[in-house]
Amino acid sequence: DAKTTQPPSMDCAEGRAANLPCNHSTISGNEYVYWYRQIHSQGPQYIIHGLKNNETNEMASLIITEDRKSSTLILPHATLRDTAVYYCIVRTGANSKLTFGKGITLSVRP
Amino acid sequence: EAQVTQNPRYLITVTGKKLTVTCSQNMNHEYMSWYRQDPGLGLRQIYYSMNVEVTDKGDVPEGYKVSRKEKRNFPLILESPSPNQTSLYFCASSFGQPTYYNSPLHFGNGTRLTVT
Repeated sequence: DAKTTQPPSMDCAEGRAANLPCNHSTISGNEYVYWYRQIHSQGPQYIIHGLKNNETNEMASLIITEDRKSSTLILPHATLRDTAVYYCIVRTGANSKLTFGKGITLSVRP
Repeated sequence: EAQVTQNPRYLITVTGKKLTVTCSQNMNHEYMSWYRQDPGLGLRQIYYSMNVEVTDKGDVPEGYKVSRKEKRNFPLILESPSPNQTSLYFCASSFGQPTYYNSPLHFGNGTRLTVT
C-alpha cells in the first residue's frame, strides 16, 4: 500500500522559507500528492496538490521529484501563524482509503 | 458558503448509550469520510463512502457504523460507545475520489466526544 514518511518535527525562523519533506516511494503513476495542514485541533485545511510538475499557489509551492518518490512543500516566508501539523497524503490501498499519518509538526520561531 | 457541517461540536455520554454524529455537506460531493484523531496517533480513517449506498471500511472501523442514504449526509453511529472511543472526530468530503482527481478534501470543524 502506498504511504508517506515524514520527519516528526522541524522548526524555522519567522520570515525564512520552510521546506517540509515527504517520501512516497510507492506512489502510483496516476495519483496526486496532496498537502494539508492542521492548526491546533481545527479541521485540516487543504494547501496544495500535484501530480508530476511543480505547483505554486498563494499559500505554498510544491516540488515533486522527477521519479515522484518524494516531494517538498515550501512556505516561502513562514510566519508564526504557519505553526501547525502538515500532512502529506497519497492514496493508501484499494479504492479510496486515505491515511493521514502523524504528519510533521512545524514550529515557526520569532 | 461551501462547507462541511458536523454536529454536535462537543458530546459527553456514557458507556453503551447509542449516539449519532451528523455530517452534512452542501457541495454535491460524491466522496465523504470520517476520521478520528488521538494524541500521538494522527488522523485515522474510520469509514468512507464513494457515493450513495456505497461505503467501505477505513483503518479503524471497529465499533462504528455509517450510512449514506443521501448524497449530502454521512452520519457516524456508535451503537454502544466505549471509553476507548473518546476522541476528536472529523468528517470530510471531496468532489471525487481523493488523490485521483483535482479533488481536495474539505473538513468539518470536528466533534469532540467523551465517553465515560
